[in-house]
Amino acid sequence: DAKTTQPTSMDCAEGRAANLPCNHSTISGNEYVYWYRQIHSQGPQYIIHGLKNNETNEMASLIITEDRKSSTLILPHATLRDTAVYYCIARGSYGKLTFGQGTILTVHP
Amino acid sequence: GAVVSQHPSRVICKSGTSVKIECRSLDFQATTMFWYRQFPKQSLMLMATSNEGSKATYEQGVEKDKFLINHASLTLSTLTVTSAHPEDSSFYICSAGGVAGASSYEQYFGPGTRLTVT
Repeated sequence: DAKTTQPTSMDCAEGRAANLPCNHSTISGNEYVYWYRQIHSQGPQYIIHGLKNNETNEMASLIITEDRKSSTLILPHATLRDTAVYYCIARGSYGKLTFGQGTILTVHP
Repeated sequence: GAVVSQHPSRVICKSGTSVKIECRSLDFQATTMFWYRQFPKQSLMLMATSNEGSKATYEQGVEKDKFLINHASLTLSTLTVTSAHPEDSSFYICSAGGVAGASSYEQYFGPGTRLTVT
């Protein structure tokens, strides 16, 4: 699976959009971009995934660049409960999930 | 849907004893289950992958005789930490892979088990 690179930490004000970037310049054509988050002392929670097109669900939006070398997870209206570690993972259809260090997102009041 | 449970959520055991952790997929059949370990302030590290009815595949550096994995059914996998030592103290997380009301194969994570070996 392709390696991903994320900033170590980010801050966001409550109510504002949180934009979390991820670089995956070596991603192959059949690898999806997955986003999970982990709130302290809990198991990871699935957020969203995509292949080429932008995706949106009730939790977030995923914007994937046309060359697929990077993506951005958008939490449109961050709340304090969105404070977590966010993991961006490139994975094939039945591949293993390899977790990097992720981005620690802190949402401030 | 797609709920995965783990039991127990926390366990404290004495050094030298064995501990069993259960992972269940509650509303779907998991063809594959994964076991991860997470040390404080570190990321999740995959320990092993198991398919129902077959032997688990362990990641490099994980002792298969110490971490026994059984995947007896499509809804249950167990991880037994044998002869536990303080360095085995960690957060153990399972995930279950399968199709749960969606068209694509996904992994769903359990809430984790905090193991403390004294």
